Amino acid sequence: KQEVTQIPAALSVPEGENLVLNCSFTDSAIYNLQWFRQDPGKGLTSLLLIQSSQREQTSGRLNASLDKSSGRSTLYIAASQPGDSATYLCAVRPGRTSYGKLTFGQGTILTVHP
Amino acid sequence: EAGVAQSPRYKIIEKRQSVAFWCNPISGHATLYWYQQILGQGPKLLIQFQNNGVVDDSQLPKDRFSAERLKGVDSTLKIQPAKLEDSAVYLCASSLAPTRHGGEVYEQYFGPGTRLTVT
Repeated sequence: KQEVTQIPAALSVPEGENLVLNCSFTDSAIYNLQWFRQDPGKGLTSLLLIQSSQREQTSGRLNASLDKSSGRSTLYIAASQPGDSATYLCAVRPGRTSYGKLTFGQGTILTVHP
Repeated sequence: EAGVAQSPRYKIIEKRQSVAFWCNPISGHATLYWYQQILGQGPKLLIQFQNNGVVDDSQLPKDRFSAERLKGVDSTLKIQPAKLEDSAVYLCASSLAPTRHGGEVYEQYFGPGTRLTVT
């Protein structure tokens, strides 16, 4: 059974700092990995999707890396801003069984203070 | 393009009562998902529909939860009777049809969720 763990559970940083969020998964047989952002009272917004054959994806100030063999992914946020405050979730999609079924981590609550 | 719509946004009920949630996916999306997100945890898939057929309901507590997607569009999720541990946010998501044998996997788009409190 796939398990996804995110560290740290919560993070508070001053504006402008670069930061790293970590995600680990127990079964390396994944199809892809996705990072989401969740704002209070709102649904999930997809940030980055990395296919199992890829090593990293970039979008603006966000960079996600994937090391499938070690079961790890990191989300790097450069020059953090107060608007980045949200819960960040990673999720993996299995490569061998059910298609479309995402397994989520418990999330990292990020607070960026001015 | 309109997003995934859900209603109600909030619901408070007493234990042993019943409750229903409604979801309208993005037009043209064949796949619809219901997730349960308990406070402090990530979303957990309850049921996945492909058009109006069930693809995966392995984590749906079938003794009290039921879901249907008539005509392959809107969907309702029902809980009867509710328990205290059902307090959570229920998220609906939709996507174009994913492929079973690889190829492009379509992104899931999430609705705002329904926050259920069972007292």
